[in-house]
Amino acid sequence: EVQLVESGGGLVQPGGSLRLSCAASGFTFSSYEMMWVRQAPGKGLEWVSYISNSAGIIYYAESVKGRFTISRDNAKNSLYLQMNGLRAEDTALYYCARGLGHLSALDYWGQGTLVTVSS
Amino acid sequence: SYELTQPPSVSVSPGQTASITCSGDELENKYTYWYQQKPGRSPLLVIYQDNRRPSGIPERFSGSNSGNTATLNISGAQAMDEADYHCQTWDSSTMVFGGGTKLTVL
Repeated sequence: EVQLVESGGGLVQPGGSLRLSCAASGFTFSSYEMMWVRQAPGKGLEWVSYISNSAGIIYYAESVKGRFTISRDNAKNSLYLQMNGLRAEDTALYYCARGLGHLSALDYWGQGTLVTVSS
Repeated sequence: SYELTQPPSVSVSPGQTASITCSGDELENKYTYWYQQKPGRSPLLVIYQDNRRPSGIPERFSGSNSGNTATLNISGAQAMDEADYHCQTWDSSTMVFGGGTKLTVL
């Protein structure tokens, strides 16, 4: 069974940093593209970042470019999101999700980890 | 930047067909994907590559994509189909989501 379990969320002050993790199991992690998607309270889905299976290709949404860094450790079956310079508008539930194929749909999602940026 | 536009809400009577649209410039030239999200739950993929259903998704879910509009149809809508529906595509190296549509079955 495919499982994605996020962790690392919490309350942080504006300008602060957090590192999110996503533990994957039930599939060959190194074969799949992975993404982070967030959802602000009561709002729609917003794509955050993409990483190819080998980490050779990385993309970011304009809203986080220069502040967030996506990475993965295929030996540990883990995906990460380092978030620096956090702003109030980054407050959201952060999901990690698996790509169905190359730049395709997201076929499995974690349960999300909540990030709250507030003083 | 590329944008996808969805109606904020759609209502349907039980047993009827619900149609949820997603509009974007020359969207027919891109694949569209659809997700169902129930309150407090993670999104669930219900349609990929415009009209394909993942394993386990009921046949009453179907999709199409023509011109500037992709459409998710739910035939014989049931109370369990009440949820938010999000469309998604790729524009070059950017994943784009629509704003989401709340489907009410009443």
